[in-house]
Amino acid sequence: EPEVTQTPSHQVTQMGQEVILRCVPISNHLYFYWYRQILGQKVEFLVSFYNNEISEKSEIFDDQFSVERPDGSNFTLKIRSTKLEDSAMYFCASHALTDTGELFFGEGSRLTVL
Amino acid sequence: DAKTTQPPSMDCAEGRAANLPCNHSTISGNEYVYWYRQIHSQGPQYIIHGLKNNETNEMASLIITEDRKSSTLILPHATLRDTAVYYCIVPMDSSYKLIFGSGTRLLVRP
Repeated sequence: EPEVTQTPSHQVTQMGQEVILRCVPISNHLYFYWYRQILGQKVEFLVSFYNNEISEKSEIFDDQFSVERPDGSNFTLKIRSTKLEDSAMYFCASHALTDTGELFFGEGSRLTVL
Repeated sequence: DAKTTQPPSMDCAEGRAANLPCNHSTISGNEYVYWYRQIHSQGPQYIIHGLKNNETNEMASLIITEDRKSSTLILPHATLRDTAVYYCIVPMDSSYKLIFGSGTRLLVRP
C-alpha cells in the first residue's frame, strides 16, 4: 500500500538552528500539507501546497517557516531559526486530485528544540 | 470548518461495537463528513467519509442522520488496537485543509 514517508523520525536541535524536515508524498498525489502537534495538544494545520506554490497557510506559518518541492518526489519544511516552542511532531500529508478523498499522513517527525 | 461536537471520551469492551457520535448541526448541503483517528502519537489515519447516505468500508460504518446534523461512526467489533482518538471533521471547502478538534478518546477494554 502506498504511504507517505518522513525523515528524520526524530531530530534534536539547539535553539536558533535551522531544521529541514523531509517528506516523500505518495507518487501520484498533487496536494501536499504540513501539520504539527505539540505534545498533548491538537493537530494543527500549517500549510497546503499545490502546483509548486503555497495555496493556504495558517497564522502559525510565519516567516520562520518555508516549504519547498525541490524535485519531483520530496516535499520539505524548513524552520530557519528554531525556537523552544517549535518542539512538536510534524506531520506531512498528501492527497490525489479527486473531488473527495482521504488525506494520507506520514508517521511524523519529532522535533525537539533545546 | 463546520463546527463538530464529540464526547471527550468513551469506552467499550473488546469484541463489542463502538458507536462514536458527532454533532455537526451547521453543516451545509455539499459538505462531507470525514472521520480520522490517531493512535498514540502516530499520524492521523483516514477511516471513512460520507455526504448523505450511510457508508461502510473494511474499517467502519458511517451513519448520517437524514437532516445531516449528526453522524455516528460504528466500529462493529472493536479490538484493543482500536484504542485511539477519533476525529469527526467537516471541511468547509475543497481544499482538504482539515481542522482537528479534540476528538473522542476511545478506550477499548479487554
